[in-house]
Amino acid sequence: DQQVKQNSPSLSVQEGRISILNCDYTNSMFDYFLWYKKYPAEGPTFLISISSIKDKNEDGRFTVFLNKSAKHLSLHIVPSQPGDSAVYFCAASEKGWDKLTFGTGTRLQVTL
Amino acid sequence: DVKVTQSSRYLVKRTGEKVFLECVQDMDHENMFWYRQDPGLGLRLIYFSYDVKMKEKGDIPEGYSVSREKKERFSLILESASTNQTSMYLCASSSREGAFFGQGTRLTVV
Repeated sequence: DQQVKQNSPSLSVQEGRISILNCDYTNSMFDYFLWYKKYPAEGPTFLISISSIKDKNEDGRFTVFLNKSAKHLSLHIVPSQPGDSAVYFCAASEKGWDKLTFGTGTRLQVTL
Repeated sequence: DVKVTQSSRYLVKRTGEKVFLECVQDMDHENMFWYRQDPGLGLRLIYFSYDVKMKEKGDIPEGYSVSREKKERFSLILESASTNQTSMYLCASSSREGAFFGQGTRLTVV
């Protein structure tokens, strides 16, 4: 039973435009949500997180939005750059930096 | 800089072999985790540990065991490797500062 879902396996965006990656979850006990970026043959690196008491968190070009009633979060990257091309994983936990449940990932390709 | 180090980047093992994957972190983190990553399945939790000598099963523990004799080291053991354990294995440690991953071990079982 997939508790965290990323329904788009891939996304292609032009350089300079906005990338929007989506994530849905089913477990109401999740209270902390994170996005990780992963290049091939490397471990995931942390990008940005949001607590369930907030609905938005920004860090430079990256913004995460949380809609608790819809059990949906999204990652916005503005403007997109070629170096952003990677696989992005959404993750959730029931308490902070505890064990994370990951989605299946979305491969983002930023084209010139 | 936080560092999580996995002992091997690439491993090739034969079916039936006992395989040890080692992970060391240098941040004195309490929590350590082993995940595997497979195409279309994301990262799935195999085992985790909140303290020395402590271990808990994750979502897919079958065919694996773990050992945590020291706080900084968390080992994943494949008791008898099988071809369906061919995967990318990722170790992580976490505390309030965040969750940090090692570079991964690409294991191929032939």
